[in-house]
Amino acid sequence: NAGVMQNPRHLVRRRGQEARLRCSPMKGHSHVYWYRQLPEEGLKFMVYLQKENIIDESGMPKERFSAEFPKEGPSILRIQQVVRGDSAAYFCASSPLEAAGNIQYFGAGTRLSVL
Amino acid sequence: GQQLNQSPQSMFIQEGEDVSMNCTSSSIFNTWLWYKQDPGEGPVLLIALYKAGELTSNGRLTAQFGITRKDSFLNISASIPSDVGIYFCAGNNNDMRFGAGTRLTVKP
Repeated sequence: NAGVMQNPRHLVRRRGQEARLRCSPMKGHSHVYWYRQLPEEGLKFMVYLQKENIIDESGMPKERFSAEFPKEGPSILRIQQVVRGDSAAYFCASSPLEAAGNIQYFGAGTRLSVL
Repeated sequence: GQQLNQSPQSMFIQEGEDVSMNCTSSSIFNTWLWYKQDPGEGPVLLIALYKAGELTSNGRLTAQFGITRKDSFLNISASIPSDVGIYFCAGNNNDMRFGAGTRLTVKP
């Protein structure tokens, strides 16, 4: 049973380019969460999605960042016009039910470097 | 929002020593979880706690869900070099909030 799959593992972008991070949840999981982790810091919640719905995007920056989880295919975290401050590790987690009382399983992350 | 205070921030111990770390919050949580993150990897779940007062073990790891539901601790007994990593607590209600992590270094 494959775990949460994220790709790419490493992504290098120049300032102003777009970054697309993909996350395939564990089989049978329909809830996806995205987190950002800066070096030497903890995980910061960004967005919670179900299939075709954004449930909570309270942690998402208002500009340049967007997320989707289409009916078919992986969840995508998209960062437009990247800046150096976007450099971080981005983790995706999935769970089979609503987050309340349920466990999130994490992928290995995508490390974004903005030159 | 719900803030988790995790301590200590870092620990440097000798192999074989016991380790204790804890997490406190001003808010009540329904579930407490402890994760470990190895360098370059994602967090891996160690222990999940669902009831106030619950004490759960996983090998050399023991965690407790505080009776007030506002805190939790994790103990590691007889540490070994592969225990090195960052340990995160997480409190879960309708969403999950993470502590800032405890960075553990084990000297052989």
